[in-house]
Amino acid sequence: DAMVIQNPRYQVTQFGKPVTLSCSQTLNHNVMYWYQQKSSQAPKLLFHYYDKDFNNEADTPDNFQSRRPNTSFCFLDIRSPGLGDAAMYLCATSISPGLAGFVQFFGPGTRLTVL
Amino acid sequence: DAKTTQPTSMDCAEGRAANLPCNHSTISGNEYVYWYRQIHSQGPQYIIHGLKNNETNEMASLIITEDRKSSTLILPHATLRDTAVYYCIVGLTDSWGKLQFGAGTQVVVTP
Repeated sequence: DAMVIQNPRYQVTQFGKPVTLSCSQTLNHNVMYWYQQKSSQAPKLLFHYYDKDFNNEADTPDNFQSRRPNTSFCFLDIRSPGLGDAAMYLCATSISPGLAGFVQFFGPGTRLTVL
Repeated sequence: DAKTTQPTSMDCAEGRAANLPCNHSTISGNEYVYWYRQIHSQGPQYIIHGLKNNETNEMASLIITEDRKSSTLILPHATLRDTAVYYCIVGLTDSWGKLQFGAGTQVVVTP
């Protein structure tokens, strides 16, 4: 089945140690998103890619970066994780604009713990 | 983007219909209404969306009022697996599909 895959499902890192989360998709969608969801809160968009065009949300900290080497893969890099970055990180995809409405398909998420 | 207002929580008996309200009084003419749900510790799951007309799919029905200021998501026969947080979101068609999640409604389906 076509899907959005996130690895790993659980990631533990140390304070200040760079960490990379990965997302892959078999849907061939050209828009990919990264969301952060802290405990008991709603998901919050960090940034998205339309093909290779990167779009950062205004309030996304510089500590968060992203790479999209090809259509299928997208990475979230946290350069110096702080305790406040502990959260579930969700990857999502959608098909390009021009269709009626946007439907986003989410992966299962990666839960990041910062020690 | 327009904001939405949903009840914090709802209980529903298994096998009964669950009617989830959402207010979006500032919605503009080109904004869609989307419903997603998130089962505990999973990623959000798309349910349904609509612009003006009522919509139905295999999961649910979406009823949008004529003035588009509110909508209702209907789960026709709730099961225990429908226990989740349900998010009502309004979004522009030209904003790259950006979803601004609100607090949502925690729905608990009980036997």
